[in-house]
Amino acid sequence: NAGVMQNPRHLVRRRGQEARLRCSPMKGHSHVYWYRQLPEEGLKFMVYLQKENIIDESGMPKERFSAEFPKEGPSILRIQQVVRGDSAAYFCASSPRGGNTEAFFGQGTRLTVV
Amino acid sequence: RKEVEQDPGPFNVPEGATVAFNCTYSNSASQSFFWYRQDCRKEPKLLMSVYSSGNEDGRFTAQLNRASQYISLLIRDSKLSDSATYLCVVNRYGSGNTGKLIFGQGTTLQVKP
Repeated sequence: NAGVMQNPRHLVRRRGQEARLRCSPMKGHSHVYWYRQLPEEGLKFMVYLQKENIIDESGMPKERFSAEFPKEGPSILRIQQVVRGDSAAYFCASSPRGGNTEAFFGQGTRLTVV
Repeated sequence: RKEVEQDPGPFNVPEGATVAFNCTYSNSASQSFFWYRQDCRKEPKLLMSVYSSGNEDGRFTAQLNRASQYISLLIRDSKLSDSATYLCVVNRYGSGNTGKLIFGQGTTLQVKP
């Protein structure tokens, strides 16, 4: 049973380009969380999704960032017109259901904006 | 005030020592609690859930004090491989809460030979 899969592991984008980060949850998991981690800082919540629904996007910047979790396929975190401040590690986690269940993390995507 | 607060450390201890970390949370509606471990530049990994009655897993013991709103993690007989950042996590769900996981800043442990 594969764990949470994120790709790409490393992504380099020039300022102004778009970045697409993918997350395939563990088999049987229908809840996905995205977190951002800047160097030497903690994990910041971005968005919580269930299949085809955004449950909580209170941590998402109002502009340039969007997320989806379609019925089929991986969850996508999309960053338009990237800036240097977007450089960070982006982690995805999945859980089988919401509430009090543990979440399991993917290995993350390290985005570098040059 | 941060919703989940931890002493960032670092805690520098010799092998074999016992070390304890505390974590406080501000929202009394929090319902689930976890400890995760994160090694440098890697993904967080679940260490253990924290139950009201307290729970133990080998050298690790977690406790929850709802009245004082703090969670603790005790590591006995520290190993070099225990060196990592330990993340306290809370979750609240129901009654308008969405169930997102909220992470503390983490406490760094360095175990020295």
